Amino acid sequence: GAGVSQSPSNKVTEKGKDVELRCDPISGHTALYWYRQSLGQGLEFLIYFQGNSAPDKSGLPSDRFSAERTGGSVSTLTIQRTQQEDSAVYLCASSRQSQRGYFFGPGTRLTVL
Amino acid sequence: GENVEQHPSTLSVQEGDSAVIKCTYSDSASNYFPWYKQELGKRPQLIIDIRSNVGEKKDQRIAVTLNKTAKHFSLHITETQPEDSAVYFCAAQETDKLIFGTGTRLQVFP
Repeated sequence: GAGVSQSPSNKVTEKGKDVELRCDPISGHTALYWYRQSLGQGLEFLIYFQGNSAPDKSGLPSDRFSAERTGGSVSTLTIQRTQQEDSAVYLCASSRQSQRGYFFGPGTRLTVL
Repeated sequence: GENVEQHPSTLSVQEGDSAVIKCTYSDSASNYFPWYKQELGKRPQLIIDIRSNVGEKKDQRIAVTLNKTAKHFSLHITETQPEDSAVYFCAAQETDKLIFGTGTRLQVFP
């Protein structure tokens, strides 16, 4: 079946603009995660969804970051008033339930000029 | 919360040699430890995982060992091949999410 997909694959924006990143998880996967990977760095946890609720938002760096998930499927990560330090690859992952291996999407490379 | 440390940050080996990557974790409640391989420009992919009720798991040329008492786990790759070249990440489960190490860039020279 289809894997995790993300769009756009690349996004270039100007400082101060808002951006929306989309994730389509594998069908039937109830757990969905957003991570951020800066150049040459590890994977930084942002937020976790179980169904449509987000029991763990502890990794969101600031109140400029928000995310939602609808229908237990698609998730959108929104970054308001983007800053240059927001430049990174944003990875989405899903799993059948928590405490199982993740399946990652291809990521969205965000560049803030 | 959970903290995962990974060493070395880079590792170069000759084709056919073995490679070992080590990770330590801080939360004794963690019970799931996966390893991911990320090739250049690609997404991370799960290559092997281990749960805390076992000490070792093998899959062909790859093996993972876990020492719960010392809170460390390791990835062993035998008979390395050029296609093993990638960045490898270890992770530990913290309640509902994975906490990742900082990665090891493995280069296998022919």
